[in-house]
Amino acid sequence: KQEVTQIPAALSVPEGENLVLNCSFTDSAIYNLQWFRQDPGKGLTSLLLIQSSQREQTSGRLNASLDKSSGRSTLYIAASQPGDSATYLCAVGLGDMRFGAGTRLTVKP
Amino acid sequence: EAGVAQSPRYKIIEKRQSVAFWCNPISGHATLYWYQQILGQGPKLLIQFQNNGVVDDSQLPKDRFSAERLKGVDSTLKIQPAKLEDSAVYLCASSSIRDKFYEQYFGPGTRLTVT
Repeated sequence: KQEVTQIPAALSVPEGENLVLNCSFTDSAIYNLQWFRQDPGKGLTSLLLIQSSQREQTSGRLNASLDKSSGRSTLYIAASQPGDSATYLCAVGLGDMRFGAGTRLTVKP
Repeated sequence: EAGVAQSPRYKIIEKRQSVAFWCNPISGHATLYWYQQILGQGPKLLIQFQNNGVVDDSQLPKDRFSAERLKGVDSTLKIQPAKLEDSAVYLCASSSIRDKFYEQYFGPGTRLTVT
């Protein structure tokens, strides 16, 4: 059974700092890995999707990498802004996606 | 393009009562998912539909939860009778094989409180 872990559970950084969020999974036989953002009281917004054959994806200030052999993915956020404050979730799978519990990010002005 | 719609956004009921949630997926998306997200946890898949057929309902508590997707478009998720531990956000998502390998798009969710 696929287990997904996200560390740290919470992170607070000053504005402008570059940061890395971590996601690990136990079964390397994955189809997709997807990073989501969740604002309080809201649904999930897809940030990046990495197919199993890919190593990374980039969108604006976000870069996600995937290392299937080690069962890890990282989400890199460059030049963080207060508007980046949210919970970031990673999920692996195709239909039955398995989610981590998320990292709650606070970016202080 | 309109996103995934869900209603109601909030619901408060007493234990042993019944409740129903509604979801309208993105137009043309054949696959629809219902997730349960308990506070502080990631979403957990309850049921997956492909058109109006069930693909996976292995984590659906079938003694109290039911779901249907008539005509392969809208879907309803019902809980009867509700328990305190059903308090959670219920998220609906949809995806299409034509769209980035089943990338899932989520609705705003329904927050259920059982008292």
